[in-house]
Amino acid sequence: GDSVTQTEGLVTLTKGLPVMLNCTYQTTYSPFLFWYVQHLNEAPKLLLKSSTDNKRTEHQGFYATLHKSSSSFHLQKSSVQLSDSALYFCALSPANSGTYQRFGTGTKLQVVP
Amino acid sequence: NSKVIQTPRYLVKGQGQKAKMRCIPEKGHPVVFWYQQNKNNEFKFLINFQNQEVLQQIDMTEKRFSAECPSNSPCSLEIQSSEAGDSALYLCASSRDREGYAEQFFGPGTRLTVL
Repeated sequence: GDSVTQTEGLVTLTKGLPVMLNCTYQTTYSPFLFWYVQHLNEAPKLLLKSSTDNKRTEHQGFYATLHKSSSSFHLQKSSVQLSDSALYFCALSPANSGTYQRFGTGTKLQVVP
Repeated sequence: NSKVIQTPRYLVKGQGQKAKMRCIPEKGHPVVFWYQQNKNNEFKFLINFQNQEVLQQIDMTEKRFSAECPSNSPCSLEIQSSEAGDSALYLCASSRDREGYAEQFFGPGTRLTVL
């Protein structure tokens, strides 16, 4: 079935360092991929989305490229800030397979001074 | 910023009791989703609507869970007989379009605790 895998449960980094959060997916349909960020006690908010193969998409310093050949949509940032500490979810919406999104288990990013 | 409103923010019920939560989607968003986020932060899709019509729902919601989105009233999700395993954050999201590429805007959630 359609699914999303996020391999890291917790990533702890020092402020200013680069980060990559992994996301791979499985679907037989053409995929739409999303990254959401959820700060403590807040609603998840969309960070990035893409359905275009090999095209980098960017927002608020974060970027990701959908690679259909490897079924991946990793989230990256060149220099993390304390305010980036949050839960990050990768989500998949397979075309022609219903409208709801399949979420990964999330990665908690903890940025320390 | 999302303008999806969910009430109440916190709900505490005993086992076997009914638990009802409400959601007002963003203005102009005809599609509404309900998700359950457990203590491990895992999301589970429950049900979605376009206007008043159910689009999809999982088996769980066909049994103890009921949901509706009446015209000119908040959408609601009700658990008929709460169980301890229902303790979770219930997130409502709305969208302009039912297609998969459409962004979903989430509310802050209703945190249900079943004692």
